[in-house]
Amino acid sequence: ETGVTQSPTHLIKTRGQQVTLRCSSQSGHNTVSWYQQALGQGPQFIFQYYREEENGRGNFPPRFSGLQFPNYSSELNVNALELDDSALYLCASSTPDQGNEQFFGPGTRLTVL
Amino acid sequence: AQSVTQPDIHITVSEGASLELRCNYSYGATPYLFWYVQSPGQGLQLLLKYFSGDTLVQGIKGFEAEFKRSQSSFNLRKPSVHWSDAAEYFCAVGNMENNDMRFGAGTRLTVKP
Repeated sequence: ETGVTQSPTHLIKTRGQQVTLRCSSQSGHNTVSWYQQALGQGPQFIFQYYREEENGRGNFPPRFSGLQFPNYSSELNVNALELDDSALYLCASSTPDQGNEQFFGPGTRLTVL
Repeated sequence: AQSVTQPDIHITVSEGASLELRCNYSYGATPYLFWYVQSPGQGLQLLLKYFSGDTLVQGIKGFEAEFKRSQSSFNLRKPSVHWSDAAEYFCAVGNMENNDMRFGAGTRLTVKP
């Protein structure tokens, strides 16, 4: 059974640029959630996708957007990057069949200069 | 919306000593409660979870946690800490009604030889 994978591992961007982060969910999981973890803080919920539809959103501006594909992999897009977007971005997959327990990937470290 | 408080930012214990990490939650209904561990630069690993039933929950690596509804707490315990337990620990609360999981700010555990 393959776990949750994320790419890239690290990324450096400059202010105002756009970035796309990718996540492959664990086999059998149809739900993907994205979290932002700033340095020294707990993860903050960005949004969740279930069967290709957004299924809940945290307190993040519209320049944070996402997508889920038919194979349940997902992308997180961030436009107009700001310095405060520097963080570890975590993806978690789950399925209602397993009580929605979330399994996390290793994360993508984004640095905005 | 639910929220989580971890009162201790940093705890230091000696190897072999007992450990208790505190977690208090706020949520109107029965919460789903989780403890995760994160090593530097890594994603989150689930230690244990509480959905319902027995309020004393056993997890991996010798950890346990007790759900106390009257105190809105879900403290994590381990009778004898190992040097490899040094990491960041996050308590989280979720539910079936909405889709975001709320994390505490984390407690960093240092283990002295």
